[in-house]
Amino acid sequence: GAVVSQHPSWVICKSGTSVKIECRSLDFQATTMFWYRQFPKQSLMLMATSNEGSKATYEQGVEKDKFLINHASLTLSTLTVTSAHPEDSSFYICSARGAGAYGYTFGSGTRLTVV
Amino acid sequence: AQSVTQLGSHVSVSEGALVLLRCNYSSSVPPYLFWYVQYPNQGLQLLLKYTSAATLVKGINGFEAEFKKSETSFHLTKPSAHMSDAAEYFCAVTDASYGKLTFGQGTILTVHP
Repeated sequence: GAVVSQHPSWVICKSGTSVKIECRSLDFQATTMFWYRQFPKQSLMLMATSNEGSKATYEQGVEKDKFLINHASLTLSTLTVTSAHPEDSSFYICSARGAGAYGYTFGSGTRLTVV
Repeated sequence: AQSVTQLGSHVSVSEGALVLLRCNYSSSVPPYLFWYVQYPNQGLQLLLKYTSAATLVKGINGFEAEFKKSETSFHLTKPSAHMSDAAEYFCAVTDASYGKLTFGQGTILTVHP
């Protein structure tokens, strides 16, 4: 079946630094990637949607300059948290949808802790 | 606009008992509905989905859900709970465009021996 590999699984970084999270579709072409964040004991909140080769569309309230999304190829999308602060600590999950594929494949998530 | 409401943030059952997790949706277009399971610090695994075909949908691990348009519901059931079913469950809605998913608040299922 379709697999999305998300790395790293967890990362600890210092406040003010940037962190990059990668999601790779291993056996299909991900034409659309969705990025979510999930706070403890809460549901998934969509941050942005990206289509391969296009600029990402951000949800209301999500800072596009802070959460940089790149989807330059059909198998790789990245989320970079720039100048991270403790309030950015969260669980980030990607979800890919392929062309003609009727469903979503989720990555395994990245636990980001900013200290 | 679409929304999902999961009734009950926590459900506790005994091993072997019926599992019932409730989900109600709101959608101005025909909905596509999903149930996902999430184990701690992991991504989401699809249990089953409704995409306008049969209203009774069977999924993995013995789960099933029934789409009831008149009640705008898509409740998840399993006849006999197993310890390994303990996890958090999310109901989600989209439409035929397979655009963004809107998730419910989640229900944590606890299974007691």
